Amino acid sequence: DSGVTQTPKHLITATGQRVTLRCSPRSGDLSVYWYQQSLDQGLQFLIQYYNGEERAKGNILERFSAQQFPDLHSELNLSSLELGDSALYFCASRSGGGTDTQYFGPGTRLTVL
Amino acid sequence: AQTVTQSQPEMSVQEAETVTLSCTYDTSESDYYLFWYKQPPSRQMILVIRQEAYKQQNATENRFSVNFQKAAKSFSLKISDSQLGDAAMYFCAYRTPSSIKAAGNKLTFGGGTRVLVKP
Repeated sequence: DSGVTQTPKHLITATGQRVTLRCSPRSGDLSVYWYQQSLDQGLQFLIQYYNGEERAKGNILERFSAQQFPDLHSELNLSSLELGDSALYFCASRSGGGTDTQYFGPGTRLTVL
Repeated sequence: AQTVTQSQPEMSVQEAETVTLSCTYDTSESDYYLFWYKQPPSRQMILVIRQEAYKQQNATENRFSVNFQKAAKSFSLKISDSQLGDAAMYFCAYRTPSSIKAAGNKLTFGGGTRVLVKP
């Protein structure tokens, strides 16, 4: 158990809908990262938050947004869902410093029908 | 942009034998970090080992060791005395150095290598 929690574990929804994925980082970790794992794109970095502020953006679609709250949990919002958004979405957290590792949550499996 | 390449889609190893997974990367930075993550059928991403680029000594974690060749930009993982529980996807990852603030220390992953362990 990495100490990072993600809810829900599975999500099945229809095209055009909007969903919210939730992540709670390890106790004390200020950085939260979101990654998408799909069959055709592999593991890709989406976005990072540090202590409530956006720190870096990757290949995140405009239909996707995220935020980190004062209690450090983070939410990834996916809207106008398309079939191609079906993927495993990981959250990872890191405490800081130069060599600290990113610890991954169990992921949320999103299926868009 | 940094890229990470794993040229072996799948590797098979006999239980108790040794297998080596290849990883190459492209970067213009001199300071960075490299990781190997394991993803078993449960889909959890589990850190196996990490290497700091400024360290010449190869990292070792129990049965797992790396061969880090900085000039060749190569970072291979050796699994010794393979066990059935080692069967998984293995991902090589590169982390941008802390000096590049805009990069946010994201991980860039290779495409993965599936390891099959035969009893």
